[in-house]
Amino acid sequence: AQSVSQHNHHVILSEAASLELGCNYSYGGTVNLFWYVQYPGQHLQLLLKYFSGDPLVKGIKGFEAEFIKSKFSFNLRKPSVQWSDTAEYFCAASGAGTASKLTFGTGTRLQVML
Amino acid sequence: DTAVSQTPKYLVTQMGNDKSIKCEQNLGHDTMYWYKQDSKKFLKIMFSYNNKELIINETVPNRFSPKSPDKAHLNLHINSLELGDSAVYFCASSPSISGNTIYFGEGSWLTVV
Repeated sequence: AQSVSQHNHHVILSEAASLELGCNYSYGGTVNLFWYVQYPGQHLQLLLKYFSGDPLVKGIKGFEAEFIKSKFSFNLRKPSVQWSDTAEYFCAASGAGTASKLTFGTGTRLQVML
Repeated sequence: DTAVSQTPKYLVTQMGNDKSIKCEQNLGHDTMYWYKQDSKKFLKIMFSYNNKELIINETVPNRFSPKSPDKAHLNLHINSLELGDSAVYFCASSPSISGNTIYFGEGSWLTVV
């Protein structure tokens, strides 16, 4: 069965701290990976995605993620967080070349303190 | 211009009522979706349509009936609303069914009382 796991449910950081959010997936076949962000009361926005090629993916707002196939991981990183990064972060996966069905992780709530 | 727009944004209704949420995308995409986000923020796909044809139907009660009059629209009708239907419903679209990026609408907050 396809699944996505996010083990950090709630992360609290001070401004300027570095961030790493874990994401592990279980998928048969080639997989596409995504990170979405949901700011309070808003819709999901795409931060970055990995389909193929360079496993280090750069996204918007200074975020990046690294696909490590051997670890089935796609962790999200940011060197220095800002208060405005406070949001819910979702890792998601879909099978490449198949009927698109995003499977989401349970989300990580990031709270950045001033 | 909003790429994926859905109405209403907020809906409060009584148990047993029937309600609809409308969705339209102006991206020229072939594929549209409905996702449900529960109170614990967990997101799960409900339906997917490709060129007006149903391609994904997860284990959703028959009370939920999607309708796609054309590939730019995917409406969600819910009969006999129950308390457990309270959630945020997100419409989304993607260029095709083959693993492209999915773009989400702003969500419809449904509260059943």
